[in-house]
Amino acid sequence: DTAVSQTPKYLVTQMGNDKSIKCEQNLGHDTMYWYKQDSKKFLKIMFSYNNKELIINETVPNRFSPKSPDKAHLNLHINSLELGDSAVYFCASSQVRADTQYFGPGTRLTVL
Amino acid sequence: AQSVTQLGSHVSVSEGALVLLRCNYSSSVPPYLFWYVQYPNQGLQLLLKYTSAATLVKGINGFEAEFKKSETSFHLTKPSAHMSDAAEYFCAVSDFRGNEKLTFGTGTRLTIIP
Repeated sequence: DTAVSQTPKYLVTQMGNDKSIKCEQNLGHDTMYWYKQDSKKFLKIMFSYNNKELIINETVPNRFSPKSPDKAHLNLHINSLELGDSAVYFCASSQVRADTQYFGPGTRLTVL
Repeated sequence: AQSVTQLGSHVSVSEGALVLLRCNYSSSVPPYLFWYVQYPNQGLQLLLKYTSAATLVKGINGFEAEFKKSETSFHLTKPSAHMSDAAEYFCAVSDFRGNEKLTFGTGTRLTIIP
């Protein structure tokens, strides 16, 4: 069973479109995260949720909106996509706020 | 603010040789330190972590790292490189004062020469 899963794995879209990436974890963890990895492999946290409550919100354009319907899911919705949004987006989860984070396989977003 | 510096964006070693990947951290409080590995087109996998217990930490696949507070370092080593070790390696720091944000280094690409 996949611990942290993301859909879709690849997403190709046009500028200006709105898209969503879904993340699910079956580890029973309380905390979930979204990270962005750019073309130079640099990883930066975007958001973190603990029991459906937003606890980390880095300097991210408000076109990005996370949603956590329950503690096993954390989705990322992106409005008005821009070329600079092209990246690999990783979801992660951890049992408690001071523990190892487990990463999903990533979603490669390409904005044309 | 916490930060991580990984020296050397690319490291090449011969198969069977020592692997040494360097990581220096900056943190105003005792840090938690991690090494993650990323194989091509895959997510990140934890290799090992330091959480203020033993300073020499052993991880998976024969890797280990030593926390040296005086040098603010957490270098990753493996005595004998294997072809399957070729990947991108990331060092990360967190202070876990109720803020579990991981701050990553810029990564080191390890190439193994046959």
